[in-house]
Amino acid sequence: KAGVTQTPRYLIKTRGQQVTLSCSPISGHRSVSWYQQTPGQGLQFLFEYFSETQRNKGNFPGRFSGRQFSNSRSEMNVSTLELGDSALYLCASSWSSGAQETQYFGPGTRLLVL
Amino acid sequence: EDQVTQSPEALRLQEGESSSLNCSYTVSGLRGLFWYRQDPGKGPEFLFTLYSAGEEKEKERLKATLTKKESFLHITAPKPEDSATYLCAVRRNYGQNFVFGPGTRLSVLP
Repeated sequence: KAGVTQTPRYLIKTRGQQVTLSCSPISGHRSVSWYQQTPGQGLQFLFEYFSETQRNKGNFPGRFSGRQFSNSRSEMNVSTLELGDSALYLCASSWSSGAQETQYFGPGTRLLVL
Repeated sequence: EDQVTQSPEALRLQEGESSSLNCSYTVSGLRGLFWYRQDPGKGPEFLFTLYSAGEEKEKERLKATLTKKESFLHITAPKPEDSATYLCAVRRNYGQNFVFGPGTRLSVLP
């Protein structure tokens, strides 16, 4: 089974621009979560989608948004980029059966804002 | 508010020197506690999910245990390839977000 894939892997943008990141979950996984990871703040939850609906949202400004498509693929968008948005953006897909749950991460997209 | 802390922040071991990493959590109604390993520049790699106090899971040199307030990741006779950052996370209920700890950076010296 293919793992979680994210594109692009690396991205350089300038302040004020916007960016769209893509995530393809593991086949059969319907839940996709997005995280921001920085050396100072660690892994912080952005949002989670399940069956095309946003189920959860973290404490990030409205410049961060996302969506999920009918094939479970997900995108996140950051508008009006700021220097502090430089980070590793991770996507994870989850599978659950009854009380059992696992979550697998993709390799991440490294975003540098200049 | 759900909280997760990990200790120590960093740990250096000699190859073969066993030790434990701690993950303390505050969450009402734990659905699951998750352990991950993360290598520099890569996404976290799933290791274990623990669901109830007293539960234990093993994988190669790693063994995870869970109590009502904390989880331990025991590393037996570690090798240099076990060097990584180990993260734990909790999820209160299905549909609630994962809350991650800051991680323990493990270095195993040959």
